[in-house]
Amino acid sequence: QVQLVDSGGGVVQPGRSLRLSCAASGFTFSRHNFHWVRQAPGKGLEWVAFMSYDGSNEYYADSVQGRFTISRDNSKNTLYLQMSSLRTEDTAVYYCTRARSGYDFDAFDAWGQGTMVTVSS
Amino acid sequence: DIQMTQSPSSLSASVGDRVTITCRASQGISNYLAWFQQKPGKAPKSLIYAASSLQSGVPSKFSGSGSGTDFTLTISSLQPEDVATYYCQQYKSYPITFGGGTKVEIK
Repeated sequence: QVQLVDSGGGVVQPGRSLRLSCAASGFTFSRHNFHWVRQAPGKGLEWVAFMSYDGSNEYYADSVQGRFTISRDNSKNTLYLQMSSLRTEDTAVYYCTRARSGYDFDAFDAWGQGTMVTVSS
Repeated sequence: DIQMTQSPSSLSASVGDRVTITCRASQGISNYLAWFQQKPGKAPKSLIYAASSLQSGVPSKFSGSGSGTDFTLTISSLQPEDVATYYCQQYKSYPITFGGGTKVEIK
């Protein structure tokens, strides 16, 4: 069955970096686009970043543009989010989500369990 | 950016009631609209895509409708396991945006 396992979260000081991972199994990873979505404590969902199935295309929310980098390793069935220059407002649960296909504008159909990132001095 | 506005922000209904949540986009998005359910402390779950298509394994008591700017999610007969926050989302253009959520409770 489709499984997405998010990891890499933790407590980090403002200005530091952190890398999140999403390990996928149960399907052909290289055929799907992926996204990262986050949720600050007690708040709603916020889309963060997109990466196409082959790594050729990526988009970012304005709030993370220039600080976060999404990437993937299709040989390892893993999606990443490199987060740099972290701010307190980046504190959230981060979810990896799978798109239904390799089309840039397709719906999400599976979610990881989330990993908590806390940015605090 | 496309703004997504959900209403109501919260509702309380009795077991067996029909519940409707609305979502309005700030500009036309055709049918690039999805709905998600999030139970407390859990990851979101995808319910509906393309405004009215059920994701695999989602019970038929959930239904979606609409096109353009106005959309609805309906739960035909509310059950205790449906207590959750529901979000709409547009994926017509980037940045992808979500509605603010509707918290559904049992009266």
